[in-house]
Amino acid sequence: GAVVSQHPSRVICKSGTSVKIECRSLDFQATTMFWYRQFPKKSLMLMATSNEGSKATYEQGVEKDKFLINHASLTLSTLTVTSAHPEDSSFYICSANSVLGTDTQYFGPGTRLTVL
Amino acid sequence: AQSVTQLDSQVPVFEEAPVELRCNYSSSVSVYLFWYVQYPNQGLQLLLKYLSGSTLVKGINGFEAEFNKSQTSFHLRKPSVHISDTAEYFCAVSADSSASKIIFGSGTRLSIRP
Repeated sequence: GAVVSQHPSRVICKSGTSVKIECRSLDFQATTMFWYRQFPKKSLMLMATSNEGSKATYEQGVEKDKFLINHASLTLSTLTVTSAHPEDSSFYICSANSVLGTDTQYFGPGTRLTVL
Repeated sequence: AQSVTQLDSQVPVFEEAPVELRCNYSSSVSVYLFWYVQYPNQGLQLLLKYLSGSTLVKGINGFEAEFNKSQTSFHLRKPSVHISDTAEYFCAVSADSSASKIIFGSGTRLSIRP
């Protein structure tokens, strides 16, 4: 149980285009979903926290207009990288907390974004 | 504010040997500590967590960790590793028991030699 999926697993796009990444909780409902960014050989950095039906809370230094987060249902959150540039190339990982209130975040497999 | 330091970026170990992955944290409040494992091309999986109670925490796959408040450490150990333990290991800290905001360490790559 407690599986989180991400789609796509890999995406390559041209500079200036927008890319949408989906995060789904497959067998549970998630009150809160989190988006992380992982640079090569680096740790995960929390970008934002999203709660179903409300605006996302962004961490300091993360541009909310560039990284649009939508959490439309208890099983789906999306991250849209708008007007992507090569420096946005990274590994993006989402996680989710169950509505049951367990003290565990369940992580997705990640999405590798490459901007040419 | 919390932070996590994993001093070893890579740890090579022979199969069936014991291993310790080091983790130190800093926090001005009570903390909750976690170890996650990331296998190649996969997401993070929780190995174990310390929320309260016994300072020795046992997790999955034979791993355990000990919370040491005086040394602000939460080192991960396994008495005998297998090839399948090859992965990236992340220590993490949260000030919230619901793990709502987790600060991750930089990771330690454990490579097992036959």
